[in-house]
Amino acid sequence: GQNIDQPTEMTATEGAIVQINCTYQTSGFNGLFWYQQHAGEAPTFLSYNVLDGLEEKGRFSSFLSRSKGYSYLLLKELQMKDSASYLCAVRDSNYQLIWGAGTKLIIKP
Amino acid sequence: DAGITQSPRHKVTETGTPVTLRCHQTENHRYMYWYRQDPGHGLRLIHYSYGVKDTDKGEVSDGYSVSRSKTEDFLLTLESATSSQTSVYFCAISESEESREAFFGQGTRLTVV
Repeated sequence: GQNIDQPTEMTATEGAIVQINCTYQTSGFNGLFWYQQHAGEAPTFLSYNVLDGLEEKGRFSSFLSRSKGYSYLLLKELQMKDSASYLCAVRDSNYQLIWGAGTKLIIKP
Repeated sequence: DAGITQSPRHKVTETGTPVTLRCHQTENHRYMYWYRQDPGHGLRLIHYSYGVKDTDKGEVSDGYSVSRSKTEDFLLTLESATSSQTSVYFCAISESEESREAFFGQGTRLTVV
């Protein structure tokens, strides 16, 4: 079967750095996505990785290792507004998105 | 923001009744999707459409049907609602199946009592 694993919940301090991991086992690979979802709202796109390596976008970076079936999302200079769920998704060989259950990130002052 | 709206935003219905949720887009995107989101689960695909009158099943399609008679509208119907279909339903759109990004509607919270 296909599976995406990410931690259920993480806590971090305002101003700090946090790394959210995602491991996957899917039928084929056509890209990995990270979305942010605030409580009661729609998911919004953060990043897309299809090749190995690090993609940086402001305070957020995403890393991919296809050989290890592994990705992480790195959030720097954490702000209170970063409190949200972070969803990892992989597009499989049929171009279907397989979603993890999400990581709830709690930011403390 | 991408032009995608869902209606209704909230609905309470009784077991056994039919329910239709609507997704409307103004982006002229070819692909439209219906997902459900439940605690402890990732988003799960119910049905998707790759063009007018072209639809296909997702992983949790039982008890659901869809229709797309116009590019901009994608309807999800629960033929006979059950309590297990209580969930938050999201519509999403993308230009193609290879798009870097999909855009989501604000969601519909459906409660079946």
